[in-house]
Amino acid sequence: GESVGLHLPTLSVQEGDNSIINCAYSNSASDYFIWYKQESGKGPQFIIDIRSNMDKRQGQRVTVLLNKTVKHLSLQIAATQPGDSAVYFCAETGASNYKLTFGKGTLLTVNP
Amino acid sequence: EAQVTQNPRYLITVTGKKLTVTCSQNMNHEYMSWYRQDPGLGLRQIYYSMNVEVTDKGDVPEGYKVSRKEKRNFPLILESPSPNQTSLYFCASSPRQGPVPLHFGNGTRLTVT
Repeated sequence: GESVGLHLPTLSVQEGDNSIINCAYSNSASDYFIWYKQESGKGPQFIIDIRSNMDKRQGQRVTVLLNKTVKHLSLQIAATQPGDSAVYFCAETGASNYKLTFGKGTLLTVNP
Repeated sequence: EAQVTQNPRYLITVTGKKLTVTCSQNMNHEYMSWYRQDPGLGLRQIYYSMNVEVTDKGDVPEGYKVSRKEKRNFPLILESPSPNQTSLYFCASSPRQGPVPLHFGNGTRLTVT
């Protein structure tokens, strides 16, 4: 069947390298941001989130950076592994109704 | 195991034949939502529910219905499916609507011929 990864920006990295996936958002009132990972045939899986009162948050092998000045969000994956191959997309929500708006995603391919 | 369960995973049907996609969560979440995912368009919200008996339209509600009679279940109903509803559908839930992550099911791939 057709993959959700078609028509997406792609990032190809070597195993062990660090990956940086970027996301631009348009709503300056956005208050909460999430990164999701979607593997083929599965639903989106929560990775990490960040509130607008922070500019950096770290998890296990992942870091999210938020630059509110230029409305930019990035996800950094350290020591990328083949199991990290997936579509990654960001989502944002405002402070009023907290309805999530999803980005279209980036396809990450990790080469062994 | 905490999860959102959708059924069926795959469904092929014909135009006009009513169908229901079920969604159930075992996390006692108040908020549930349906999305469709299409290449190049990302995830778009169809309907959502803040709690039992409370539902509202999302961004693309035309051609769909939902109900929330129990907290755990949130079925998506297509009364008269059309080919433009061919898509990958996801159900999601969260403890409440707010700055909290959504938990997604594994999707239902629907083909309408």
